[in-house]
This record gives sequence, structure tokens and C-alpha cells, in this order.
Amino acid sequence: RKEVEQDPGPFNVPEGATVAFNCTYSNSASQSFFWYRQDCRKEPKLLMSVYSSGNEDGRFTAQLNRASQYISLLIRDSKLSDSATYLCVVNEDTGGFKTIFGAGTRLFVKA
Amino acid sequence: GAGVSQSPSNKVTEKGKDVELRCDPISGHTALYWYRQSLGQGLEFLIYFQGNSAPDKSGLPSDRFSAERTGGSVSTLTIQRTQQEDSAVYLCASSPTGETSGGAIQETQYFGPGTRLLVL
Repeated sequence: RKEVEQDPGPFNVPEGATVAFNCTYSNSASQSFFWYRQDCRKEPKLLMSVYSSGNEDGRFTAQLNRASQYISLLIRDSKLSDSATYLCVVNEDTGGFKTIFGAGTRLFVKA
Repeated sequence: GAGVSQSPSNKVTEKGKDVELRCDPISGHTALYWYRQSLGQGLEFLIYFQGNSAPDKSGLPSDRFSAERTGGSVSTLTIQRTQQEDSAVYLCASSPTGETSGGAIQETQYFGPGTRLLVL
């Protein structure tokens, strides 16, 4: 089992739709969680951190479920500009540095 | 302000040659990370520098890979005797303090544009 797993997609949705991605992680000692966005042939950029209590930033909502070991990202009222790959990032507590990126979920928002 | 910069942006080399990739982190950032990303894949951690501490090299795939960070700023990733499977985008990132909790990075990482390496 991969340490961090994401559905690769692609998710094809119309503008205005609501879409949700999940990401599962295998290490229960994982400490911190992030969603990054990566546009085609570009570097990843932080979208949002994921807090235990859940957090919202405009149209984006992130949730953490420690019991089931997954994080989620919800995008409401999708825009064409939301088309990108969304990377789940998990930082583990192993006594040494360990940041693991998921392979990403591709989203295409169509007019 | 200036972001993370990397050079070259693209590198084509022949199998067996050595290559050097450079990363200039954001000024003042003490933590620096190298990753590589193969086509359609997630990022693979390579090495992590934090201030003057010994780097965490646990992600380096073989002894052909090495990295150094001079003066706590610029970093160079060297790949010796390149192989075709080394072809990937090599991404560098930096963060302000590399703040950790039990080894887990708490901060945002700011990525450079990457170096696209193609080994023929």
C-alpha cells in the first residue's frame, strides 16, 4: 500500500459544479497535512493547510479525518481556472524528515 | 520579493555524464529541499537541508546522487554517471525555518520552477 494515495482522476466537471477529492495516508503518526496545486509543467504551490478542525478558504474546504486516516478537499462553484492537479501532502513523525507527496488528482473544469 | 530560482531550466545530457543542478532559495529561508518528479508521478523526496545541521539524505536513490549547500544558501544537486531513469523534473523548495514537530515539517514549502533533465 502506498503511503499516500489519491485517485488520479481525471475529474471532468462543468463550471459551477462541486467536486471533492480524498487522500488516504497509511501512517497514523502523520503530523501535518497540506493541499498543493500544480498546473501543467509548473511547480507545486500551496493551496491550503489542513487543520484538525477543518478549514475553509473561499470556495475551498479542507477536512481531516484522523480516525479513518484521510484528508479531503472540496471545491464549490468550480471555475475554469481551477483546472489543475491537486497534490495531497503528508508530513510524518518518524524522528527524521519525511514529507510525502501524493501523485495528485487531475481536475478539468469545462465551460 | 524573489522566489526560489533554479538553473538550468532544461538540461539534456548523455548517459554516463555528470550533471549539476543549482537552486537559489528565497533569501533568509533556512530550510531547503530537493525533490524529483517523473512524468505523471508525485514528488519524490531526495534531500533536506536545515541551517547548519547535517542534511537528511534519506531520499537519495543511489550514491550517484549528492548535494551540498554552501553558506546556508545556494544548493547544488549533482548526479554522477547519469542514467536514463534519472530523467525527471528536479524541484527545489525552501521554507523559512524548516520548523518541525517530531520531524514533520509544519511550514509551507515554496517551490522553484524546476530543472527538466533528459538523459539520452
